[in-house]
Amino acid sequence: AQTVTQSQPEMSVQEAETVTLSCTYDTSESDYYLFWYKQPPSRQMILVIRQEAYKQQNATENRFSVNFQKAAKSFSLKISDSQLGDAAMYFCALKIQGAQKLVFGQGTRLTINP
Amino acid sequence: GAGVSQSPSNKVTEKGKDVELRCDPISGHTALYWYRQSLGQGLEFLIYFQGNSAPDKSGLPSDRFSAERTGGSVSTLTIQRTQQEDSAVYLCASSLTAIANYGYTFGSGTRLTVV
Repeated sequence: AQTVTQSQPEMSVQEAETVTLSCTYDTSESDYYLFWYKQPPSRQMILVIRQEAYKQQNATENRFSVNFQKAAKSFSLKISDSQLGDAAMYFCALKIQGAQKLVFGQGTRLTINP
Repeated sequence: GAGVSQSPSNKVTEKGKDVELRCDPISGHTALYWYRQSLGQGLEFLIYFQGNSAPDKSGLPSDRFSAERTGGSVSTLTIQRTQQEDSAVYLCASSLTAIANYGYTFGSGTRLTVV
């Protein structure tokens, strides 16, 4: 069975600063995908960034980047130059190649202080 | 449609009543998923549909929960004899194929409150 753990229920950061959200996971599979989703108050989950496990290069999408440590089974999200619109719940998720279901962590609530 | 549409957006029901939650996936998406998000919790998988295949119901928490998908498009999640512990946000998602290696597209969910 796969599990995803987000150990930080809440985080806060000053606007324009950088924040890192942690995620660890457990799987015996070697081929999988990792995701970070953002859930603003509108409740709609929005895909922020995606990482393929077979790629060593960390994914980057504008101000969002990941630190993927496969051996440590760690997948943290770094948000640079935080903006007020980044305030949301962030969920880390894992999908095994060939499986249909995403397995989600418990989420981290991110607050941006002006 | 352009996105995944869920209705109603919010639903308050009395304990013991039945409720139906609707999901209209993105046109052409063959896979459809239901998840439940309880307060302070992550997303809990409920059920998955892929084309005309038998659904994966392994996440349904009890026999009070059922879902169907008509014509490979719209899906309805039904909760019979609702209990207070059923209060949660019910999220629907779809993906172009069952492989979903690019993740899902989610709707905005239905917030169910059982009083």
